[in-house]
Amino acid sequence: AQTVTQSQPEMSVQEAETVTLSCTYDTSESDYYLFWYKQPPSRQMILVIRQEAYKQQNATENRFSVNFQKAAKSFSLKISDSQLGDAAMYFCAPAHAGGTSYGKLTFGQGTILTVHP
Amino acid sequence: EAGVTQFPSHSVIEKGQTVTLRCDPISGHDNLYWYRRVMGKEIKFLLHFVKESKQDESGMPNNRFLAERTGGTYSTLKVQPAELEDSGVYFCASSQDWRGGAGGYTFGSGTRLTVV
Repeated sequence: AQTVTQSQPEMSVQEAETVTLSCTYDTSESDYYLFWYKQPPSRQMILVIRQEAYKQQNATENRFSVNFQKAAKSFSLKISDSQLGDAAMYFCAPAHAGGTSYGKLTFGQGTILTVHP
Repeated sequence: EAGVTQFPSHSVIEKGQTVTLRCDPISGHDNLYWYRRVMGKEIKFLLHFVKESKQDESGMPNNRFLAERTGGTYSTLKVQPAELEDSGVYFCASSQDWRGGAGGYTFGSGTRLTVV
């Protein structure tokens, strides 16, 4: 079974500045995938970034990057040059890569990000 | 391409009634997942379809929940009879690749179910 901890229920950042959202997880699997999703008030979950656990290189996607520490089971999200549209609830979610539960996402509690103009 | 569509977007029913939620995945996506978030809790996995077959239904809370996926296309999730604790937001997600692919899993906007 996988468990996910997002220790920051709420975070805030000034527009154009940088913010880091933390996530730690626990899993007994050696192969898995990690995702960050954002959920704006419209409620639809939107993919932010994806990381394969077997890759050492940290994923980046424009202003979004991760710091993936496999041994520490840590997967933090850094948002650079924050924009008002980044305001949302952010979820960290590892996904099983094998067994009957492949593809199953386990979500953290979420972090509400507020962006101040 | 059209996204994942869920309807209704909201449903308010009385305890003991039956409700059916529907999810239309992206065309060609073999993998379809149901999740739900009850008030104040994490989003939890319910089940996973591969085409029309149930790959993993380990998250279904009890036998009041019945999921189907007709012909490997749309899926329905029926709750019968509904209880107060079933209130929450029910999400559907689909993917072509079980790993989520480069685009990850595409989620619908969810159905907010309120049982009174």
